[in-house]
Formats: sequence, C-alpha cells, structure tokens
Amino acid sequence: KAGVTQTPRYLIKTRGQQVTLSCSPISGHRSVSWYQQTPGQGLQFLFEYFSETQRNKGNFPGRFSGRQFSNSRSEMNVSTLELGDSALYLCASSLEGFPYEQYFGPGTRLTVT
Amino acid sequence: EDKVVQSPLSLVVHEGDTVTLNCSYEVTNFRSLLWYKQEKKAPTFLFMLTSSGIEKKSGRLSSILDKKELFSILNITATQTGDSAIYLCAVISNTGNQFYFGTGTSLTVIP
Repeated sequence: KAGVTQTPRYLIKTRGQQVTLSCSPISGHRSVSWYQQTPGQGLQFLFEYFSETQRNKGNFPGRFSGRQFSNSRSEMNVSTLELGDSALYLCASSLEGFPYEQYFGPGTRLTVT
Repeated sequence: EDKVVQSPLSLVVHEGDTVTLNCSYEVTNFRSLLWYKQEKKAPTFLFMLTSSGIEKKSGRLSSILDKKELFSILNITATQTGDSAIYLCAVISNTGNQFYFGTGTSLTVIP
C-alpha cells in the first residue's frame, strides 16, 4: 500500500506571498492532519480534516487554512507568509481519525525569505 | 499551561544496552498519550496509551502509562543502531482535541 505523499517537497517563498501544500493520504484513510515542525517549537498540530470537514484545530492564526476533497486529498494554505512560517510541514493520514494511529508523509520544507 | 516534557534530551548508548525514555505531562482533560519514532523527517507511530498500568509491547519496545503520576516511559531493550532516532511523546487533550508534543529525546546507538 502506498504511503502518504506530499508535494512539493521543497518550496521557497518570499514574505507576503501565499503558499499551498498538498497531501495525499493512504488509500482508504479519510482523516488527514497537518503539523508544523520547527527547531524552536518542535512539532505542533495545525488541524485535522475528516470526510471533507475540519474536525479539530490547533492554535494557529487564521492565515493557516486547509481543505479536503472528496477523494480525501488535502491542501493546506498559508497566506501573507512571515519569516517565522519557515518550517517542515507534515501531514498524516489515519483510518480512524485523529488522534488515533497516524501515518506521516515525508513533509514539505518551506523556506520564507 | 499545558505541557509535555521529555527526558533526557539526548542519550548515547552502546548496542545491546537497554534504555528508558521518559515523558511527563501536565495536560488538562487528558485523553491519550502517543509515542512516535522520528528518523530523518516523518514520525512513525509506535504506541497509543489511554489506560494506566497496561503495558503496550512491540518487539523490543514497550511502553506504560501512569495517569496518577502523569508520566509514561518507553523502554527499548537490546538496542540496535537502527534504533537511533528522535523519540517523540504527544498527549491529546479532550479539551478542543488539542495535541501537545514534547521536544523529543534524541537517541544514538553506537556499535
């Protein structure tokens, strides 16, 4: 069974721009969660989508948003990028939904200059 | 303030040693505790613990939760170089389904 895939793997943007990241879950998984990982803050939960509905949300500003499509693929959007948004963005899929057993993708490394 | 603290921050052991990693938490309305192994980038799920005193085991790895003292341990016996990784502990709160990660323990196993 193919794992979780994320695209792109690397991205460089400038302050003020917006970015969209994509995540394809393991086949059959309906839950997709997004996380931000930075050296200073560690791993932090952004939000979870299950069957196209956002079910859980972490403490991030409204500039961070997401959506999920009927095929369970999910996108995360960050608007008005700030230097502090530079991070590794991980998505994870789950059969039963957050916070149960989750399988992580390889991540998208976002650098904001 | 809710928090998850892992100790030690880093650990270097020789192959064959047994290690114990610690995770203590102060999280309102605790729901469950998860352990992950992170190599390179993506964390790999290891265990989820919700009840005190029930050991979860997978091969050489085992974990147990103490909800009274608010901590969990992850044991790795007969360590191998492939166990070298960052081990993350995460706690889920029923309040808003918040998900709190510790900063991890970096384990290095040398031959």
